[in-house]
Amino acid sequence: QQQVKQSPQSLIVQKGGISIINCAYENTAFDYFPWYQQFPGKGPALLIAIRPDVSEKKEGRFTISFNKSAKQFSLHIMDSQPGDSATYFCAASKPDKLIFGTGTRLQVFP
Amino acid sequence: NAGVTQTPKFRILKIGQSMTLQCTQDMNHNYMYWYRQDPGMGLKLIYYSVGAGITDKGEVPNGYNVSRSTTEDFPLRLELAAPSQTSVYFCASSYSRATEAFFGQGTRLTVV
Repeated sequence: QQQVKQSPQSLIVQKGGISIINCAYENTAFDYFPWYQQFPGKGPALLIAIRPDVSEKKEGRFTISFNKSAKQFSLHIMDSQPGDSATYFCAASKPDKLIFGTGTRLQVFP
Repeated sequence: NAGVTQTPKFRILKIGQSMTLQCTQDMNHNYMYWYRQDPGMGLKLIYYSVGAGITDKGEVPNGYNVSRSTTEDFPLRLELAAPSQTSVYFCASSYSRATEAFFGQGTRLTVV
């Protein structure tokens, strides 16, 4: 049973476009929602994170939108660049556990 | 500043063999995690620890064991390796449960 559901599995975007990745969860005990970015051959690295008392958080070109009532959150990458090509994971934390989604492979073409 | 160090980087095991994946962190983090990453399946939590002497099961603990005798080290033990354990294993650590988790470079394990 996948506790954090992520879509799409892969995404192709043209340079300058907007990339959108969606995640959903069921367990209301989750209270911290980070996004991680992973390049080939590397471990994941924290990109941006949000807590459920906030509906949106923006850091540069990256924005998390959070809908607590729908139990959904999404990552928006504005002005996508070829250097953004990577795998993105949403995650959710409940007491002591950090659970990841299945990942989205993003490819940004020039 | 080393961060989270995993050894080995690559390993090939025969079915039924055992091995220990090593993980050490130098950030004095309380929380440590072991994940496995399989194509299309994301990162699955195997075991985690909230401090020395305390460990607990994650989503996919069967076939694995851990120990946490010190704050720095969190080794993962595979007993009786099976082909289903072929995967990339990541160790991670964080100061607390809702703060940034730092990942190691991963161990690519193949069981044949």
